[in-house]
Amino acid sequence: GQQLNQSPQSMFIQEGEDVSMNCTSSSIFNTWLWYKQDPGEGPVLLIALYKAGELTSNGRLTAQFGITRKDSFLNISASIPSDVGIYFCAGPVYSGGGADGLTFGKGTHLIIQP
Amino acid sequence: NAGVMQNPRHLVRRRGQEARLRCSPMKGHSHVYWYRQLPEEGLKFMVYLQKENIIDESGMPKERFSAEFPKEGPSILRIQQVVRGDSAAYFCASSATDSYNSPLHFGNGTRLTVT
Repeated sequence: GQQLNQSPQSMFIQEGEDVSMNCTSSSIFNTWLWYKQDPGEGPVLLIALYKAGELTSNGRLTAQFGITRKDSFLNISASIPSDVGIYFCAGPVYSGGGADGLTFGKGTHLIIQP
Repeated sequence: NAGVMQNPRHLVRRRGQEARLRCSPMKGHSHVYWYRQLPEEGLKFMVYLQKENIIDESGMPKERFSAEFPKEGPSILRIQQVVRGDSAAYFCASSATDSYNSPLHFGNGTRLTVT
């Protein structure tokens, strides 16, 4: 099946530092999505990528869709305390009838020390 | 706020009882997905529904679990004769079309505790 591997599993950084995390797969994805989950909440979509090589920003967040279609990275610049949470990458899962939903990586836990 | 609405937020059931989780998709969305999340883990796909149809239930246990998305009203995930291992957070998501063409938007989940 299509599996997504995220690294690192967790990050402990100082406020103000830049953050970089990535997601890889052994199979090709045509869409990459990055979600953030706060404790007790549902995942919230941060960035959606639809083209290989695409680089997209959302405020201090930047994500890229790898040229090989097998990886993506997410960068956060000048981290602030509210960036704490779990970041998931996700991609569509296909069956004969089309895209059936998303498969998720296991997440990168971001912890920020003031 | 016309986001995905799930209720209840917390549900406690004794072993053997039934749990019924509800999800109202975002306005205009006709595709509903249910996911399960255990502590410190990612989300696992359970079932994908469109109005009155189950499209893919490959991630849902064949026994005790069922899902529906009727023509009128919310989508329901039903767990019969719950066991302790069913304790988890269950998230519903919706999209306007299939997940390739439109991103999924998630609700805040129902946290099921089986005692």
